[in-house]
Amino acid sequence: EAGVTQFPSHSVIEKGQTVTLRCDPISGHDNLYWYRRVMGKEIKFLLHFVKESKQDESGMPNNRFLAERTGGTYSTLKVQPAELEDSGVYFCASSQASGILAKNIQYFGAGTRLSVL
Amino acid sequence: GQQVMQIPQYQHVQEGEDFTTYCNSSTTLSNIQWYKQRPGGHPVFLIQLVKSGEVKKQKRLTFQFGEAKKNSSLHITATQTTDVGTYFCAGKTSYDKVIFGPGTSLSVIP
Repeated sequence: EAGVTQFPSHSVIEKGQTVTLRCDPISGHDNLYWYRRVMGKEIKFLLHFVKESKQDESGMPNNRFLAERTGGTYSTLKVQPAELEDSGVYFCASSQASGILAKNIQYFGAGTRLSVL
Repeated sequence: GQQVMQIPQYQHVQEGEDFTTYCNSSTTLSNIQWYKQRPGGHPVFLIQLVKSGEVKKQKRLTFQFGEAKKNSSLHITATQTTDVGTYFCAGKTSYDKVIFGPGTSLSVIP
């Protein structure tokens, strides 16, 4: 079974540019999460999709960040315009239906390392 | 807001020594998960604890969930160089939200 895949693995952009990160969850996983880890600090929650709906977007830092999951399959996270403080590693994770304890394990992708110069 | 804290932030041990990391939540959790991230890698699920006072073992790793479901610990017996990495706890709140702790980075000196 294919795991969670993220693209690109690394992106280097200049301040003010736009970057779009993509996440393909494990097939059949309704839940998709975006996280960010900045400068070796904690993994911070950004948002949670259940299928195509945003269940919780309380972690999104500001309106420069836009996440979509059209069709409930893959998801994109766009940063426009990017700022220096957006640099970090963006992780995507997926899990099966939430509320079912045994299947609530989150499987993480390898992450996208974003460097804003 | 709800917080999950971990101590220590860093731990350096001699190979063969034991290691423990502690996780504390500001609120009661419905469950707690532990993840390990190797240097340059991504978080990988280790285990999930659900019941109050639960203890689970995976070979040299022992996981414990506190009676009040607000704290947890991970203990590694006789560390090996393969144990190197950052260990995160992640608490699931009653609102179905997962909050990660800041992680404990373990270095093992051969």
